[in-house]
Amino acid sequence: NAGVTQTPKFRILKIGQSMTLQCTQDMNHNYMYWYRQDPGMGLKLIYYSVGAGITDKGEVPNGYNVSRSTTEDFPLRLELAAPSQTSVYFCASSPPTDYEQYFGPGTRLTVT
Amino acid sequence: GENVEQHPSTLSVQEGDSAVIKCTYSDSASNYFPWYKQELGKGPQLIIDIRSNVGEKKDQRIAVTLNKTAKHFSLHITETQPEDSAVYFCAASAIGGSARQLTFGSGTQLTVLP
Repeated sequence: NAGVTQTPKFRILKIGQSMTLQCTQDMNHNYMYWYRQDPGMGLKLIYYSVGAGITDKGEVPNGYNVSRSTTEDFPLRLELAAPSQTSVYFCASSPPTDYEQYFGPGTRLTVT
Repeated sequence: GENVEQHPSTLSVQEGDSAVIKCTYSDSASNYFPWYKQELGKGPQLIIDIRSNVGEKKDQRIAVTLNKTAKHFSLHITETQPEDSAVYFCAASAIGGSARQLTFGSGTQLTVLP
């Protein structure tokens, strides 16, 4: 299994541009999460999904959107990028039988 | 909502010494407390977790203790090795919630000096 994969690894955006961060897991996990990690601030939950077709807001959802059309994929959409969205973004998934979250390698995003 | 505070933010120890990282949480409904290790350039990885029905759990050189009355829990690493150098995050969650949301602490950068 590849686990949780994220693309791209790095991206530089100009203010006002939009982009989609991709996340795929091949472990048939129903729970999926998006976090952002700012220096010295830990991980903050942006959005989560408990299964295909079901998504909900986390602690810091403003400026982002998600969709979950399949069990495997959970893309994160940034509309009108702002410098405050400069961060490292992690996707994670969790199986129904355990509470461990499995993280992807992250996407480093810079908005200038 | 839940608030998790973690101390210290940085910790340096000599190889072979012990390291202790402490966290406090605010929501008495929290009953699941995992610890994640993040190596440079990688995503966090679970190293140990504890549920509120036990006070201590060990796995080789690492252990976690929980004091529900005081709302704090700690990670203990004994006989530290250079490969233990990483950022460690504590987290808290309420098992039984529909989303199993984790609230993370701000992290501790552990450096093991050879």
